[in-house]
Parts: sequence; C-alpha cells; structure tokens
Amino acid sequence: GAVVSQHPSWVICKSGTSVKIECRSLDFQATTMFWYRQFPKQSLMLMATSNEGSKATYEQGVEKDKFLINHASLTLSTLTVTSAHPEDSSFYICSASYLAGARLANTGELFFGEGSRLTVL
Amino acid sequence: QQQVKQSPQSLIVQKGGISIINCAYENTAFDYFPWYQQFPGKGPALLIAIRPDVSEKKEGRFTISFNKSAKQFSLHIMDSQPGDSATYFCAASPLGAGNMLTFGGGTRLMVKP
Repeated sequence: GAVVSQHPSWVICKSGTSVKIECRSLDFQATTMFWYRQFPKQSLMLMATSNEGSKATYEQGVEKDKFLINHASLTLSTLTVTSAHPEDSSFYICSASYLAGARLANTGELFFGEGSRLTVL
Repeated sequence: QQQVKQSPQSLIVQKGGISIINCAYENTAFDYFPWYQQFPGKGPALLIAIRPDVSEKKEGRFTISFNKSAKQFSLHIMDSQPGDSATYFCAASPLGAGNMLTFGGGTRLMVKP
C-alpha cells in the first residue's frame, strides 16, 4: 500500500510554545490530506481537511488559529499547534487520499501516517 | 451526532475463535465502508473495505458482511490469533466527499492464547 510518513513521531514541549508536525506522502501524490486527533482509548476525530494550494477546511469546534494547516505541495501537509497548552496533548494522525493512475480515479482508499504524540508540559 | 455506531467496545476471544464486530450507520450517502486495525502508538492501517454493491467480501481470515437495507456492516475475523489483538475501527464515507471518513467508536479486541 501507499506510504504516509509523519514527523516527529513524538514531541514534548513547554506550554506556550508552537509545534509543527509534518505529513508526507512518500510514493504518491495527495491533493487532499486529513488531520485527525485521537485521545487515549478513543476514536479518531477529524480536525480538518487539507487541500493542496488552498485553505484548509476545519471541522466545527476546531480553532483554525490554534491549529494551523499548510498544504504547500502534493506530498506535504503540516499541522502547527500554536501556543500549545497541556490540553492539546494528544495523538495527531494524518491521512492522505490515494488517487490511482492517470485517470486519478478515487479508489476510496485512505492511508494513515504513524501518528505524532504531542505532550505539552 | 454519532453517524457510525460500533459495538462492542471491547471483545475477548479465545485463540482460534471467531471475532465479530458490528457497525451501523445513518447517512444513506455513505458508499464506502472500510475497517482499520490500530496497534497502540501506531496509526490505523486499512484492513479490508466494501462498497454497497456487494453483500460480502472476504480477504484471508477477514470478512465483511454488509446489509444495505439495515444500514449495518460487520467484520468477522476467523481463526483469531493473539497477533490480532488490537483496536478495530469501522468507518464510512461518501466517495464523492473526497474520502472524508466518519469513524466508529472502536473495538478493543483481545485474543487469548
């Protein structure tokens, strides 16, 4: 299957600082990437949809000024948690749509990164 | 509003047994139903997926059963193994929405040796 890489896999930061998480599609182009947040023993909650070359679409209740998303190329999307606080500590996961072949057919498949665990002290 | 309801929340199965996880959805626009497997500290990995034009799909020990009229689908893991112990998520999306998945609440499966 297609590979999606996230970096860093874990990060610890002080309250008030900003943290950037990268999501890369390694062997395919992804016009759309999704960012999820997962608390312990809970399901994945969609935070925002990241579209290459345009502004991200945020889900209701997600602060766009706090969670800055940039999708500068077809293989890279970044999530920056600004002025992080302990309640932002969570597991952040990105995913990318795989558009197959020259027809860019939507196969429906969504590939996930390994996740980034953020701990804010 | 929880659009995809998953049950049970946790499941314990003996090695060699059948694990069954159920999901129900509400949005009739959903037309893609994947199952994901997630190990602790890792991202979800696509296990198997089905579309509404078939009622069953089998890949190895994993089978999805789909009931369009009841808006339900389930995952069956045959000959369950300790290595299958993980959290399983069902999901659904309308393909036209660019694969925006709605996830179920997850099922923590433990397969005892």
